[in-house]
Amino acid sequence: GNSVTQMEGPVTLSEEAFLTINCTYTATGYPSLFWYVQYPGEGLQLLLKATKADDKGSNKGFEATYRKETTSFHLEKGSVQVSDSAVYFCALEGEYGNKLVFGAGTILRVKS
Amino acid sequence: DTEVTQTPKHLVMGMTNKKSLKCEQHMGHRAMYWYKQKAKKPPELMFVYSYEKLSINESVPSRFSPECPNSSLLNLHLHALQPEDSALYLCASSHPLRQRGGKTQYFGPGTRLLVL
Repeated sequence: GNSVTQMEGPVTLSEEAFLTINCTYTATGYPSLFWYVQYPGEGLQLLLKATKADDKGSNKGFEATYRKETTSFHLEKGSVQVSDSAVYFCALEGEYGNKLVFGAGTILRVKS
Repeated sequence: DTEVTQTPKHLVMGMTNKKSLKCEQHMGHRAMYWYKQKAKKPPELMFVYSYEKLSINESVPSRFSPECPNSSLLNLHLHALQPEDSALYLCASSHPLRQRGGKTQYFGPGTRLLVL
């Protein structure tokens, strides 16, 4: 079955540091890939997505590239802010699927 | 507009109570979802409605009863819950199932439920 593996957290960074959160997946066919962010006490917000190989999703300074050869969708940001502190979930949906498969989530803490 | 609204924001109920959670979207989505999320865990899928018909039930106990009265509304009726059912309940919506590629699910803010 489909699965997503994320790096374990928490990840603690200083403000303006470079962020990478690793995400790899297992799936048949051509899944769609997503990053969701959950701020404390809130629901999930779509951060970015990519629906085919080599697509790059980007939003609010975050980027992730759909790499089929390495089955990865790593999240990056060049300069994090305290307001980026949240839980980040990598997720995939199968090619003709109807379910999101989530990774375990990665807690990000950014210190000023 | 990518907004999904949920009410109430917080709910406290006893094990003998009956309550309902409500979810609404006006994006024209014909697939709607209920998830349960425990602290520090990813959301777990409970139910999926497609074109107002129940499409997926992930073996959820019958004390949870979903209802989709129209294409914009999704309810979750709660009865005789247990303390372990305390969690954040999230609603989501997307374009219909069986549509290839990038069916993005948009989530509401959730209802935080405490069962005493």
